[in-house]
Amino acid sequence: QKEVEQDPGPLSVPEGAIVSLNCTYSNSAFQYFMWYRQYSRKGPELLMYTYSSGNKEDGRFTAQVDKSSKYISLFIRDSQPSDSATYLCAMNTNAGKSTFGDGTTLTVKP
Amino acid sequence: EAGVTQFPSHSVIEKGQTVTLRCDPISGHDNLYWYRRVMGKEIKFLLHFVKESKQDESGMPNNRFLAERTGGTYSTLKVQPAELEDSGVYFCASSPAGLYTEAFFGQGTRLTVV
Repeated sequence: QKEVEQDPGPLSVPEGAIVSLNCTYSNSAFQYFMWYRQYSRKGPELLMYTYSSGNKEDGRFTAQVDKSSKYISLFIRDSQPSDSATYLCAMNTNAGKSTFGDGTTLTVKP
Repeated sequence: EAGVTQFPSHSVIEKGQTVTLRCDPISGHDNLYWYRRVMGKEIKFLLHFVKESKQDESGMPNNRFLAERTGGTYSTLKVQPAELEDSGVYFCASSPAGLYTEAFFGQGTRLTVV
């Protein structure tokens, strides 16, 4: 069983929709939770990271962590065509290396 | 400020040949990571350097892979001899020293072994 499971997608939504991306994990040692965005033929780019349970907001993006349920989410409000990309959840212990989900490909249609 | 740079962007080699991938991290970043994504799978950790020392190489698949980081600056990842299953995208990332610091990824090297 993988340590990190990500909702597979793909997702296709109309412009302006609210998008929810989700991951679950099994390793209780994970302490840092990240969301990356990856455009085609590019490297992952960090969108947000959180350390504790709760919500963290940055513009149209909200990251949510529930350590008791081992569940994390990324919400995108007022989605734009430029948000079309693959979204990756990733998690770290204190060791520095990241464990990634498979990624969810999102398409926002104008 | 220059980001993480990887060379080449794409390499096609025959089974049994040798390939060397290079990563130039962001200047001053002590941490350097190699990851790999094979088709249909998640990005997986290969190894972690702190300066010139290997901190964690638990993700290296076998002894055909050799990573070095000269003087704590750029890093190379050599695959010798390459096998078909080594095909994938190899990412390098770097981050500053610290308990958790943001990792910046390069654009990746797409390796195809035929």
